[in-house]
Amino acid sequence: GAVVSQHPSWVICKSGTSVKIECRSLDFQATTMFWYRQFPKQSLMLMATSNEGSKATYEQGVEKDKFLINHASLTLSTLTVTSAHPEDSSFYICSASRGGDEQFFGPGTRLTVL
Amino acid sequence: EDKVVQSPLSLVVHEGDTVTLNCSYEVTNFRSLLWYKQEKKAPTFLFMLTSSGIEKKSGRLSSILDKKELFSILNITATQTGDSAVYLCAVEVKGAQKLVFGQGTRLTINP
Repeated sequence: GAVVSQHPSWVICKSGTSVKIECRSLDFQATTMFWYRQFPKQSLMLMATSNEGSKATYEQGVEKDKFLINHASLTLSTLTVTSAHPEDSSFYICSASRGGDEQFFGPGTRLTVL
Repeated sequence: EDKVVQSPLSLVVHEGDTVTLNCSYEVTNFRSLLWYKQEKKAPTFLFMLTSSGIEKKSGRLSSILDKKELFSILNITATQTGDSAVYLCAVEVKGAQKLVFGQGTRLTINP
């Protein structure tokens, strides 16, 4: 149990376009979902925490108008990178919690902005 | 500011060697410390530690936490090439419901 999927697994887009990444908890209800970003050879940096039905809480330095997070249901959260630029190219990973201590990670989405 | 620091950042050893990875932390409100193994994709969970001095063990891997000195170690004995990965240490902050990750240790096991 506790499987989290992400879609797409990789995406290439042109500068200035928007990209949506989905995170789904497949076999449990996720009260909280987390979005992380990982640049090459660096660690995971938390971008935002979202609870179902409420606005996401963004970490310091993360632009909420650029990284739109929606957590409309207990099994789905989406991250939209708006007006993407090459510096947004990164590995985006979501995780989901069912209310306890543990976070279950998705497989990640590699975004490349040309 | 909450901080997790891992050392070494990179380690190359031969198959069969034993390695010790270090993780020290400074957080405002500690809840637990977690170790993950990351290969090409998302991290996979290894251990969660909440109490000092109690060793957690899984096969050739073991880990222990010292809450007084604010650090943890991850030991891998009789290493195999399949142990090559980045090992991440993260601390869960109580109340904030978030994980703060260290930079990771890139472990390479040569045959």
